[in-house]
Amino acid sequence: AQSVTQLDSQVPVFEEAPVELRCNYSSSVSVYLFWYVQYPNQGLQLLLKYLSGSTLVKGINGFEAEFNKSQTSFHLRKPSVHISDTAEYFCAVSASGTGGFKTIFGAGTRLFVKA
Amino acid sequence: DAGVIQSPRHEVTEMGQEVTLRCKPISGHNSLFWYRQTMMRGLELLIYFNNNVPIDDSGMPEDRFSAKMPNASFSTLKIQPSEPRDSAVYFCASSKGGQANTEAFFGQGTRLTVV
Repeated sequence: AQSVTQLDSQVPVFEEAPVELRCNYSSSVSVYLFWYVQYPNQGLQLLLKYLSGSTLVKGINGFEAEFNKSQTSFHLRKPSVHISDTAEYFCAVSASGTGGFKTIFGAGTRLFVKA
Repeated sequence: DAGVIQSPRHEVTEMGQEVTLRCKPISGHNSLFWYRQTMMRGLELLIYFNNNVPIDDSGMPEDRFSAKMPNASFSTLKIQPSEPRDSAVYFCASSKGGQANTEAFFGQGTRLTVV
């Protein structure tokens, strides 16, 4: 079984400042890692994903994340945020299992960018 | 492609009534997921189908909930009878390949209010 912990429920930050949204996971098997973003009144959409290879993954809208196997983390970063980045961000872990696979989402981190 | 299409977008119903939520996945996608999102519990996987077959329904809260996928282009989630605690946003998502390393594409959700 796998689990995901997003360490911050809310992150307020000023426009043009850097931001890091933290995600830790646990799993007894190899996993694939995802970050999704949810804008108000919309569904989730993919920001980026780690499947294998380079541990630094770049996504849309200037976001990137680094997979750290020893620390079981997959933190999301952006060097300079915009007002339009205000949204809720979900870390997700997916792993194969008996008969299929399972994707578990974290509780979400609400990013609030202030002018 | 129009993306994952859910209907209705909003549903208000009285306790005890039957509610049916509908989903049309992206053409060519062979996995379909139903999620429920609430403030208290976050994003929960209710059930997922692979090639129209239910693979994991362990997240379905109780017998009042049922889901069907009669063909590759349509799925329903039914609640009968509905209760106020069922109030939530219900998301349908689809993915291609039926593997843990593929991203999910979400619909815009159905906001259900049971009064």
